Amino acid sequence: RKEVEQDPGPFNVPEGATVAFNCTYSNSASQSFFWYRQDCRKEPKLLMSVYSSGNEDGRFTAQLNRASQYISLLIRDSKLSDSATYLCVVNRVTGGGNKLTFGTGTQLKVEL
Amino acid sequence: DGGITQSPKYLFRKEGQNVTLSCEQNLNHDAMYWYRQDPGQGLRLIYYSQIVNDFQKGDIAEGYSVSREKKESFPLTVTSAQKNPTAFYLCASSPKTWPEAFFGQGTRLTVV
Repeated sequence: RKEVEQDPGPFNVPEGATVAFNCTYSNSASQSFFWYRQDCRKEPKLLMSVYSSGNEDGRFTAQLNRASQYISLLIRDSKLSDSATYLCVVNRVTGGGNKLTFGTGTQLKVEL
Repeated sequence: DGGITQSPKYLFRKEGQNVTLSCEQNLNHDAMYWYRQDPGQGLRLIYYSQIVNDFQKGDIAEGYSVSREKKESFPLTVTSAQKNPTAFYLCASSPKTWPEAFFGQGTRLTVV
């Protein structure tokens, strides 16, 4: 089983829609969690960290469920510019430091 | 400007040659990482380092080597032992205390 799993999509949604992505992780020792955005042929960029209590940044809301070992990202009022691949990232502290493991990403296409 | 610099952006090599990819950061981050991304795939961890003169194998370290002689530098050598070296290589760094990783622009390596 992969350490971090995501539905690859693509999710094709109309502009203005609400879309949700889920991500599951297998190691219960994982300690911190993030969502990244990656545009085609570019480097990933941090979208938001995910806190235990859930957190919101404008149209984006992230949730963490430690008991079920999943993380979610909700995007409200989708814009064309939200089209990208969204990567779930899980951090686990090892003897050698922080080990950041990425999911394979979920592709979002927002259409007119 | 603070950031992470990877060079070169594009690199072509002949099969059987070792090649070293550069990664430098001036963010004063303790941790540095190397990932590989294949077309349509997620990021896979090659090596990571929390402190100078120490580094750990990631999930796909075979055929690669690294060094961490200075805090700001983490070069990756792709050796001739790596069977499928053609890929997009991404370097990242993060603070030790909260691992929000920041990426360089990546190096596209093509081995012919």
